[in-house]
Amino acid sequence: DSGVTQTPKHLITATGQRVTLRCSPRSGDLSVYWYQQSLDQGLQFLIQYYNGEERAKGNILERFSAQQFPDLHSELNLSSLELGDSALYFCASSVGVNEGEYGYTFGSGTRLTVV
Amino acid sequence: SQQGEEDPQALSIQEGENATMNCSYKTSINNLQWYRQNSGRGLVHLILIRSNEREKHSGRLRVTLDTSKKSSSLLITASRAADTASYFCATDRSNDYKLSFGAGTTVTVRA
Repeated sequence: DSGVTQTPKHLITATGQRVTLRCSPRSGDLSVYWYQQSLDQGLQFLIQYYNGEERAKGNILERFSAQQFPDLHSELNLSSLELGDSALYFCASSVGVNEGEYGYTFGSGTRLTVV
Repeated sequence: SQQGEEDPQALSIQEGENATMNCSYKTSINNLQWYRQNSGRGLVHLILIRSNEREKHSGRLRVTLDTSKKSSSLLITASRAADTASYFCATDRSNDYKLSFGAGTTVTVRA
């Protein structure tokens, strides 16, 4: 157990639907990052939050949004889902805002299948 | 876009042999990290090497960094079946605030 908790582990949903993925960071970590991993795109950075504030944005579609709550857990909302959104979605956390400094702790991921 | 590119894409070795994989990147970095991912699981941080370091060891892992060539290598010595996984390099770029991952090297260790 890495200390980063992601729920649910698996999600199957239909095109056009909306889902919410949840992440609880490791105790003491203030930064949360979301990544999408697919066979054709590899690991793509989506977005980072630090202590409740959006810190950096990557290749995140407009149909996707995220937030970090006061208790530091984060949610990634995916809407108007398309078949191509099927992927593994990872949450990672780190202690500080300088995300690369000490390495990330990854959760076990949510496998999203859009049918 | 991916900052790091691993080579080879796949590697198959016998248990007990050494495994070497390389990573090349494009822009200046603060540090470079290596992660391991077992099939369908989360990534596990293995080792971090800073831009002013040239070599680092951790157990059976040895990482080198050549900033002039913008490349790094990861050596796993005396491989074990449990080392079967995908290995990713990730860079923390000097002018950016996100960790960028390469496409990974899939290592298979045969018993």
